Amino acid sequence: TQLLEQSPQFLSIQEGENLTVYCNSSSVFSSLQWYRQEPGEGPVLLVTVVTGGEVKKLKRLTFQFGDARKDSSLHITAAQPGDTGLYLCAGSLSGAGSYQLTFGKGTKLSVIP
Amino acid sequence: DTEVTQTPKHLVMGMTNKKSLKCEQHMGHRAMYWYKQKAKKPPELMFVYSYEKLSINESVPSRFSPECPNSSLLNLHLHALQPEDSALYLCASSQWFQSYNEQFFGPGTRLTVL
Repeated sequence: TQLLEQSPQFLSIQEGENLTVYCNSSSVFSSLQWYRQEPGEGPVLLVTVVTGGEVKKLKRLTFQFGDARKDSSLHITAAQPGDTGLYLCAGSLSGAGSYQLTFGKGTKLSVIP
Repeated sequence: DTEVTQTPKHLVMGMTNKKSLKCEQHMGHRAMYWYKQKAKKPPELMFVYSYEKLSINESVPSRFSPECPNSSLLNLHLHALQPEDSALYLCASSQWFQSYNEQFFGPGTRLTVL
């Protein structure tokens, strides 16, 4: 059973388009992180959301944590080729050991110039 | 400084070799992690150290042997690996006492076992 369902798995869009990636679960998370990973490199932390309903913005990226802390979304405005990469959501389950991150399967984004 | 460093960047080894992967962080984090990542998959947790003590071993074969010499360093000793162990090995670190787990990853070591 996949605790964090991430969608879509693959996304290929033209430069300048907008997109949204979703991360959904039936479980409650105490926090959720979004990472971007380039081939052969480690994941780079983009943002951590901890409060239900929280919205964080990082330039053209907007992250939202659901009110019930069971889901999250990443919205990119006016995508650029530099946004290309694998986007991973990862969360800490409420009540679980603080060490464990549950990962989604990732969304591979390609932005075509 | 939110940097985790890993060496080497690439490693090719035979099945009879002994090698080590190294990881270092200077963020004052007291939890450090080893992950294994296969192509097109998310990272899989291998080991967790908290306050230099092994907290979690996710049923990893004994040919992988972790070591935490001090609060900034984490090693992974490799011996008699199999070709299926070829993967990207990631180190991460985090605070231990936070109510949430914000992990910072290193750039990884690309391991190829021949």
